[in-house]
Amino acid sequence: QVQLQESGPGLVKPSQTLSLTCTVSGGSISSGGYYWSWIRQHPGKGLEWIGYIYYSGSTYYNPSLKSRVTISVDTSKNQFSLKLSSVTAADTAVYYCASTPSSVGWFDPWGQGTLVTVSS
Amino acid sequence: VIWMTQSPSLLSASTGDRVTISCRMSQGISSYLAWYQQKPGKAPELLIYAASTLQSGVPSRFSGSGSGTDFTLTISCLQSEDFATYYCQQYYSSPYTFGQGTKLEIK
Repeated sequence: QVQLQESGPGLVKPSQTLSLTCTVSGGSISSGGYYWSWIRQHPGKGLEWIGYIYYSGSTYYNPSLKSRVTISVDTSKNQFSLKLSSVTAADTAVYYCASTPSSVGWFDPWGQGTLVTVSS
Repeated sequence: VIWMTQSPSLLSASTGDRVTISCRMSQGISSYLAWYQQKPGKAPELLIYAASTLQSGVPSRFSGSGSGTDFTLTISCLQSEDFATYYCQQYYSSPYTFGQGTKLEIK
């Protein structure tokens, strides 16, 4: 049973870069067949898909965030990461990592989520 | 971008009731739709994918139907643990999008 766990700073200053890591356990990112996503949820609001990466490094980003997002993978650590640049208060959200069984699919399982607050 | 209209946004019901949540797409998506349940402070959990396929371990009182632009999630006999927020999600085309959610509360 694959499990995911997000980690990273809970507080980021405006204009800086938000950086989060998702550690995958119970399975190997390198085994293929799964894409690895980041999804966020603004406080009390709905869900927004940020983008995903394949173990090979292929990525796809939500066009609404594409100019500020970088998702990378470290197969040696069984981790993938999110960087979101030039953050503002509007980027305050709970950030989740999740897997999807193909490049077009649903999300399961999810990490527990981590709240990132953008504030000076 | 495919827009989704989920209704109602708030649903009040009692244990034992049968409830239905609707999700309407701005364009046809065949059966590329998933449903999730989210409880306060927790991550969403997958209930249904491919519009009507129950995820392993999900109780059979949950069911999904529909194709094209109109989809429904039905809970046949509400249990106390079902009071939560429900989201639909389309994966027909990127960017993948979610409905705005339906909060199911105890009447």
